[in-house]
Amino acid sequence: AQSVTQLDSHVSVSEGTPVLLRCNYSSSYSPSLFWYVQHPNKGLQLLLKYTSAATLVKGINGFEAEFKKSETSFHLTKPSAHMSDAAEYFCVVSRDNAGNMLTFGGGTRLMVKP
Amino acid sequence: EAGVVQSPRYKIIEKKQPVAFWCNPISGHNTLYWYLQNLGQGPELLIRYENEEAVDDSQLPKDRFSAERLKGVDSTLKIQPAELGDSAVYLCASSLGPSKVGYEQFFGPGTRLTVL
Repeated sequence: AQSVTQLDSHVSVSEGTPVLLRCNYSSSYSPSLFWYVQHPNKGLQLLLKYTSAATLVKGINGFEAEFKKSETSFHLTKPSAHMSDAAEYFCVVSRDNAGNMLTFGGGTRLMVKP
Repeated sequence: EAGVVQSPRYKIIEKKQPVAFWCNPISGHNTLYWYLQNLGQGPELLIRYENEEAVDDSQLPKDRFSAERLKGVDSTLKIQPAELGDSAVYLCASSLGPSKVGYEQFFGPGTRLTVL
């Protein structure tokens, strides 16, 4: 079975400092992995996805994630946080190759202090 | 291009009452999903449609939940009767369709249901 664990329910950073949101996955085969962001009262938006191509994946708004098979991790990073990055972030694994059967992690709430 | 539209955005009902949520997917998207998101948790899939066919409804509590997607476009999710534990956000998503590579799912803003 495929699953994801987000290691931090809340992360607080100062504006301009790096962001690290941690995610570990469990999968019986090479997984498709995603990061989604959810701003208050808005729909979930795809930040980036990994589908067995390059292990370092670049997404929107300066975010990137690195797939590390040996560590079963897919951590999300950004060099410099902006106030507008404050939101809920979900690490997601697909239970099928087509990306239809998504399993979401519990979410990490990112707070950005001025 | 309009995104996924859901209505109502908020709904408050008494327990044991029926409730329905409506979703209009992005034009041309054949696949439609309904998710349930409890407070502080990630969304969980309830049902997935390919055109008008429900191809994955294994997580839908069929004793009180039902869904339909007539003509393979709009979809309605219904709960009858609602229970206190059904209070949550109901999300609709759509994608172009299944493929080996995988299409992005686009999410609507959700309907927040409160059952009193």
